Amino acid sequence: NAGVTQTPKFQVLKTGQSMTLQCAQDMNHNSMYWYRQDPGMGLRLIYYSASEGTTDKGEVPNGYNVSRLNKREFSLRLESAAPSQTSVYFCASSGGLAGGKETQYFGPGTRLLVL
Amino acid sequence: GESVGLHLPTLSVQEGDNSIINCAYSNSASDYFIWYKQESGKGPQFIIDIRSNMDKRQGQRVTVLLNKTVKHLSLQIAATQPGDSAVYFCAAYTGRRALTFGSGTRLQVQP
Repeated sequence: NAGVTQTPKFQVLKTGQSMTLQCAQDMNHNSMYWYRQDPGMGLRLIYYSASEGTTDKGEVPNGYNVSRLNKREFSLRLESAAPSQTSVYFCASSGGLAGGKETQYFGPGTRLLVL
Repeated sequence: GESVGLHLPTLSVQEGDNSIINCAYSNSASDYFIWYKQESGKGPQFIIDIRSNMDKRQGQRVTVLLNKTVKHLSLQIAATQPGDSAVYFCAAYTGRRALTFGSGTRLQVQP
């Protein structure tokens, strides 16, 4: 099992460009999440998907969109990148049982620099 | 809202000593807590979790203690090794799926 995989590992964008971050999990998990981590800080939730076909906003959703493509894949899109979106982005997944409060397993991250 | 914080940004210990990393949370309704380890350039890695119906839980070389009265939890690492050097985060569930992370404590293990 690869667990949670993310592509790309690194990306440099110019202000106003768009891009999609990809995430896939092979643990047959129902729930998937996108977080951002800024230097010296903990992770903040951008969006999550409790199950295939559903998505919900987290703490910092502005400037992002998401797509739950199927049970395995959950993508994060920046339509018009801004320097404030320079961060490390982590995807996570969890089984989706037990009322939603479960261990989340994280991918290796995508490091994004917006110039 | 929920805030989760750690008392010290950096903790330095000698190899072989025990480490204790502390965390405070604000929402008394939080009922599930997770400790993560994050090494440089990697994603958070699950260490141990505890639900509010427990006061203590042990894993391999790690123990988590939960004090609901003062809204505090701690992570104890026995016989700390160089491979334990990392940033440690506590995280708490505030709502159905809202996992709130603290800002992290960097553990430095001195040889």
